[in-house]
Amino acid sequence: AAGVIQSPRHLIKEKRETATLKCYPIPRHDTVYWYQQGPGQDPQFLISFYEKMQSDKGSIPDRFSAQQFSDYHSELNMSSLELGDSALYFCASSLGRARNTQYFGPGTRLTVL
Amino acid sequence: GENVEQHPSTLSVQEGDSAVIKCTYSDSASNYFPWYKQELGKRPQLIIDIRSNVGEKKDQRIAVTLNKTAKHFSLHITETQPEDSAVYFCAASEAGNMLTFGGGTRLMVKP
Repeated sequence: AAGVIQSPRHLIKEKRETATLKCYPIPRHDTVYWYQQGPGQDPQFLISFYEKMQSDKGSIPDRFSAQQFSDYHSELNMSSLELGDSALYFCASSLGRARNTQYFGPGTRLTVL
Repeated sequence: GENVEQHPSTLSVQEGDSAVIKCTYSDSASNYFPWYKQELGKRPQLIIDIRSNVGEKKDQRIAVTLNKTAKHFSLHITETQPEDSAVYFCAASEAGNMLTFGGGTRLMVKP
């Protein structure tokens, strides 16, 4: 079965640079969630989209923005990167908001030097 | 917002023994409670979930119980195997919304 796809899988950036993470949900899934997981920590919710509209916003810095496109893929744009942004970034998708079950992608490991 | 507490943070058991992980949540509006297993550097993988209209759910060696009144839910793994070793996260959410995770439990199954 098709799963959530994330690209790139690894990304190394310098401080103050920008990064774009991409997420392709499971086919027919219309809801996308972004989570950030620091070393040894639990995933922290950043932002979600349902039918291309932002539906929830969590602890996402103002330096980050995201959107969901007409084909339901989503991109997380990160600017003015800081050392503390180094983390695993997971995208999850679900079929309709009421169905709840979120399936996670393999993650993008971002390292900021 | 929702707050989820998870205990213990580490759990070591002998192969074949049972393991129990407990979580409490704060928001009475939460109605969906999944459990994820995460191996080092890998994605969280859903292993079982329960919705607020049931009190217990079982899938082979894994079971989850929910007490809505007390706002706590638990994961039970029986006949543990070395491949069960991983970090387990509980989570809570209100229908369709973000997941709030517990702090995680590192389970070690000794052969």
